[in-house]
This record gives sequence, C-alpha cells and structure tokens, in this order.
Amino acid sequence: KNQVEQSPQSLIILEGKNCTLQCNYTVSPFSNLRWYKQDTGRGPVSLTIMTFSENTKSNGRYTATLDADTKQSSLHITASQLSDSASYICVVSIGYSTLTFGKGTMLLVSP
Amino acid sequence: GAGVSQSPSNKVTEKGKDVELRCDPISGHTALYWYRQRLGQGLEFLIYFQGNSAPDKSGLPSDRFSAERTGESVSTLTIQRTQQEDSAVYLCASSRTGTGGYEQYFGPGTRLTVT
Repeated sequence: KNQVEQSPQSLIILEGKNCTLQCNYTVSPFSNLRWYKQDTGRGPVSLTIMTFSENTKSNGRYTATLDADTKQSSLHITASQLSDSASYICVVSIGYSTLTFGKGTMLLVSP
Repeated sequence: GAGVSQSPSNKVTEKGKDVELRCDPISGHTALYWYRQRLGQGLEFLIYFQGNSAPDKSGLPSDRFSAERTGESVSTLTIQRTQQEDSAVYLCASSRTGTGGYEQYFGPGTRLTVT
C-alpha cells in the first residue's frame, strides 16, 4: 500500500530557531515529491517539487532534501518566523493524478 | 492574475440534502483536481479532470459523489443525500497540465458541515 508518513505530528519552536521535518514514503513507482505549506483555513501552497534525480531544493528559508534510495525526505526551515506557523504536508506523486498525501506536521513558532 | 476560487466558503446542510460546490480554476489551466480533507487528516484525492479527456473518478468514495467540468473552466462537485461523515473541507486545485511535476494551485476550500 502506498503510504506517506510524516514526523513529528506537531512541533513547537522558538522564533529564530531552525527545525527539520521528516517524511518517509513507500510510494512506488516514484515520480516526484512535493512539500506544501497550509495555513489554517487556507489551501496548501507549494514550497518545493523534486524528482527522483534531485537531492536538494531550496525556496528561501526552506530547504528540502530527498534520498530516493531510503525513500526519505526532509524539510529544513532556517531562522523560523511567526508566519511559518502552519501545517507542512509531504506529497508523493506516481503520475498526473495519483498523489499520496501525508497527514502533515503542525508547526507552531512561538515568540 | 486571479488564483483558484471556490464557493461557497462555508456550507451547513442537513443530513439527506444535496449540496453543490463550485471551483473556478486559474485561466488556462487544463488540469483540475478535487480533494477532501477531514479534520486532522491528510488530503484525499477525489477526482481529476484533464482537458476533454474522461475524468479519473477513482477517488470518489461513493456514488453519491459526482463532479462535472465544462470544458477547461468551472467545475462543480455534487454530493447527494449528504451524510455526517461527508463533513470536511473540500479543496480544488488546478495546474497547467496534468503531466509530470507541474505545480498545483489550491483554492481556499469549502468547509462543509452536515448536521
């Protein structure tokens, strides 16, 4: 069964600190892996998209890594800001419509 | 340009009633997706439209759920005889095409509450 597991389920960090969110998947065959940020009451917004041949991709203070061999990805957030408080969702794609979503990690950045 | 819009933003309905949710994708986007997000759960794929091709309905949970799309524009998701377990946020997304790694742009969602 194709699954995407995220950890931790929730996380609280102080403003200005760094954090790393984890994503493990069993989806096969693999097309691409995406990280989304979802603010409360809003739709998800794409942060990064990586194919199996990419190891890392950055978007400002967000850096995603991918190890296709171990089927693991991480999202590293640097110098966190209050506006980073959101749910971060890992999504693994097989093809055009077969997207498997993780349940997300709820991040709270505290002042 | 305008993003993906959805209406209504909130809908409260009585069990057994039919509801219709609307999605306006980004102009020029040929691919359109519907998802359901239950409280505390990940997004569940419901249905996918790509241009004039037959839609991929593999995610629809029951025959009470249906969706239509007119050309490459507006889509409506209809839930007949609503049940309490249908309560969720229904999200629509569109992308330039459905091929490969094109980015999906999500709407704000419609929060459906079935009482």
